[in-house]
Amino acid sequence: EAQVTQNPRYLITVTGKKLTVTCSQNMNHEYMSWYRQDPGLGLRQIYYSMNVEVTDKGDVPEGYKVSRKEKRNFPLILESPSPNQTSLYFCASSLYGDSGEAFFGQGTRLTVV
Amino acid sequence: AQKVTQAQTEISVVEKEDVTLDCVYETRDTTYYLFWYKQPPSGELVFLIRRNSFDEQNEISGRYSWNFQKSTSSFNFTITASQVVDSAVYFCALSATGGGNKLTFGTGTQLKVEL
Repeated sequence: EAQVTQNPRYLITVTGKKLTVTCSQNMNHEYMSWYRQDPGLGLRQIYYSMNVEVTDKGDVPEGYKVSRKEKRNFPLILESPSPNQTSLYFCASSLYGDSGEAFFGQGTRLTVV
Repeated sequence: AQKVTQAQTEISVVEKEDVTLDCVYETRDTTYYLFWYKQPPSGELVFLIRRNSFDEQNEISGRYSWNFQKSTSSFNFTITASQVVDSAVYFCALSATGGGNKLTFGTGTQLKVEL
């Protein structure tokens, strides 16, 4: 089954404790992105990747890092999480970039206390 | 810069009513793509439709229909004979060429369909 898998689904952590949210897709898509969803703001792009070792900032990259060492994986790293990073996070992948339908993971609800 | 506006924050209807969700977009690109996604209470994002800027034909899929008008920069979504299962948050999104698969989302419209 074609899918984007994020882990964990739920995470509560403390300020400053480094964490990684994993994302994996099995569709051989070149394009992958991370979004955060906040009430009243919709979804905003954090980082995106157009291929292995090619990543770039989205609209809200501060406080986040990403890497793309393999085509299928695109982890999101929070080196020092803060409460304002409490949000619902989605990973997405797409075959055709701008024109392509984005397939989203199930979401990761992160709470930073 | 791209922008998507969904002015309706929340809409409540009674089952079997028709409902239209509005979406207005802004972009300077001549080639772009518009999308609608559904987010049911379970939280996942479900793709509904994609439309490119050169195709202004309206589309119908079952009870769903979409009206794309470049003249007013709008891409509205109508659900005919709404059902309780249609209750969800609906997002309109825009993607422009060269954007690296960046979707610019609206803030979403919460649709509540009651019996």
